[in-house]
Amino acid sequence: DAGVTQSPTHLIKTRGQQVTLRCSPKSGHDTVSWYQQALGQGPQFIFQYYEEEERQRGNFPDRFSGHQFPNYSSELNVNALLLGDSALYLCASSLWVDNEQFFGPGTRLTVL
Amino acid sequence: GQSLEQPSEVTAVEGAIVQINCTYQTSGFYGLSWYQQHDGGAPTFLSYNALDGLEETGRFSSFLSRSDSYGYLLLQELQMKDSASYFCAVNSGGYQKVTFGTGTKLQVIP
Repeated sequence: DAGVTQSPTHLIKTRGQQVTLRCSPKSGHDTVSWYQQALGQGPQFIFQYYEEEERQRGNFPDRFSGHQFPNYSSELNVNALLLGDSALYLCASSLWVDNEQFFGPGTRLTVL
Repeated sequence: GQSLEQPSEVTAVEGAIVQINCTYQTSGFYGLSWYQQHDGGAPTFLSYNALDGLEETGRFSSFLSRSDSYGYLLLQELQMKDSASYFCAVNSGGYQKVTFGTGTKLQVIP
């Protein structure tokens, strides 16, 4: 049984570009949350998707958007990249009714 | 908004017991979770407390006092592999909205 998978593993972009990160949840999970983790900090909640809708959102600008597909996989899109967007982006899946989140290995985004 | 406070670093001896405290300020509190993250790894779920009291899972226990907005993670019989960062996280506002603390880096020494 595969856990949470994310792609790509690493990504290098330049300021102003756009990026799409992908996440496949653990089998049986219906909820996907995205987090941004800067070096030495805790994960910061970006948003959460359930039933293909954004259900919760953290304090991130509209440049951050997402999508959930019928198979529960999800994408995170970031437009107009800034240097400060450089971070580890983590995807976590869970059951909507459960508190335990399973995290993927993350995508390391570097913005130059 | 939400804020969580936990010590930035803790050092403990192998075989000993260590307690990592977490205090929080939030509205619409649902529960407190704990996660472990090794360097270069992903966070892994350890426990969740919605009600006051102690929850025990093997060598790890977690405590919550809702009236004091306080919780702790207790690690017993420390092993070298327990060296990692430990994050407390609150479910608040929306039930599924999770806010993480800044983490406590635990170093276990021989």
